[in-house]
Amino acid sequence: DTVMTQSPATLSVSPGERATLSCRTSQSVTSNLAWYQQKPGQAPRLLIYAASTRATGISARFSGSGSGTDFTLTISSLQSEDFAVYYCHQYHKWPPAFGQGTKVES
Amino acid sequence: QVTLRESGPALVKPTQTLTLTCDFSGFSLSTSGVCVSWIRQPPGKALEWLARIDWDDDKYYNTSLKTRLTISKDTSKNQVVLTMANMDPVDTATYYCARMDRWLQLGYYYYYMDVWGTGTTVTVSS
Repeated sequence: DTVMTQSPATLSVSPGERATLSCRTSQSVTSNLAWYQQKPGQAPRLLIYAASTRATGISARFSGSGSGTDFTLTISSLQSEDFAVYYCHQYHKWPPAFGQGTKVES
Repeated sequence: QVTLRESGPALVKPTQTLTLTCDFSGFSLSTSGVCVSWIRQPPGKALEWLARIDWDDDKYYNTSLKTRLTISKDTSKNQVVLTMANMDPVDTATYYCARMDRWLQLGYYYYYMDVWGTGTTVTVSS
């Protein structure tokens, strides 16, 4: 199975600052990687798919990059509503897998 | 507008079988290319994919849970049902269903979860 490693586990960022989250996969998933945002008590929300394509209605301050085994989610200027847990998800290799999450806090 | 909603018992006893229902609207599981997955999240832990059912009734399961899971669909009712046998306290989690979208890469479709339900919390305890 594909092992997903997200780093850091917790990221402390002030509003207005840039946040950079990393996701590494144990084998190449080409560009078949998605990012989700989850707030307490809520379902995950799709932010990015195909490594760099923003989902419908997602702010342009969210951007994804990478391919193969190394991926990055960048939040260009953190807003108060962006404090949440972020998960990466590979859907290239069977079975689908999620990372352990990065908590973005102030 | 695509919506999904999970329902089922909040509490089950060890060894019992859990039955969860996903009611959805805004899409049809009889349409080519449409799929629905179940995912769970134990308290404070990461997401775990469980099972998927496709428009053509193909079914896929998490390898480690395959013997305990059954996924089915009722297209006329816009429902997907997941059963999990022999429940254990470690199965305590919030269970989500999600519609899957796809994109084409080098002639092959790859599926990811795009719209999720709000989840239903299941506690396994005697």
